[in-house]
Amino acid sequence: SQQGEEDPQALSIQEGENATMNCSYKTSINNLQWYRQNSGRGLVHLILIRSNEREKHSGRLRVTLDTSKKSSSLLITASRAADTASYFCATDADDFGNEKLTFGTGTRLTIIP
Amino acid sequence: SQTIHQWPATLVQPVGSPLSLECTVEGTSNPNLYWYRQAAGRGLQLLFYSVGIGQISSEVPQNLSASRPQDRQFILSSKKLLLSDSGFYLCAWSLGSPSTGELFFGEGSRLTVL
Repeated sequence: SQQGEEDPQALSIQEGENATMNCSYKTSINNLQWYRQNSGRGLVHLILIRSNEREKHSGRLRVTLDTSKKSSSLLITASRAADTASYFCATDADDFGNEKLTFGTGTRLTIIP
Repeated sequence: SQTIHQWPATLVQPVGSPLSLECTVEGTSNPNLYWYRQAAGRGLQLLFYSVGIGQISSEVPQNLSASRPQDRQFILSSKKLLLSDSGFYLCAWSLGSPSTGELFFGEGSRLTVL
């Protein structure tokens, strides 16, 4: 079953603008991760935020986590054409011995040059 | 450095034929291994994961099976493919539980069942 749901499903913006994607999940987590997938390729890890963190930055990426609302957002600043890809959030579950990561449905981001 | 290889990259198979997709990881020991399937334009569905040789956990009932004959080898199989088995199959590994770190993905195997 899907743990995370991304919103919006698709997003098109002009190059240079900021892109914001949201993720909601259902159960308690240890961490939430964001991944990127170029068309027809494997996923690449972008950033991991732990349940006791509220915000994390990596280059042009900013991730927030609100465990009370069970939601996260990914902000890409000053977007570039190369940022065109699908973005997925993924969560583990706060279960003892949990060994799996559950992915959301993804946001397809298109940057218009 | 660690690398993950997945093959074949593309496969077209008739309904009822067998399937074997292979994944190997280099540069690490005792990784957790995962098989995900992605339908066109959709999210990833976890099919199987393994925390050690011969240890396979299945997430969804289906006509697929997985095996881990060696520490860094993960194989996805089917005896008889169905049309619904078409999709993009992704192998991934992690060092330890996803509670502590990221997954590293292969480049995927696109399966079309006709």
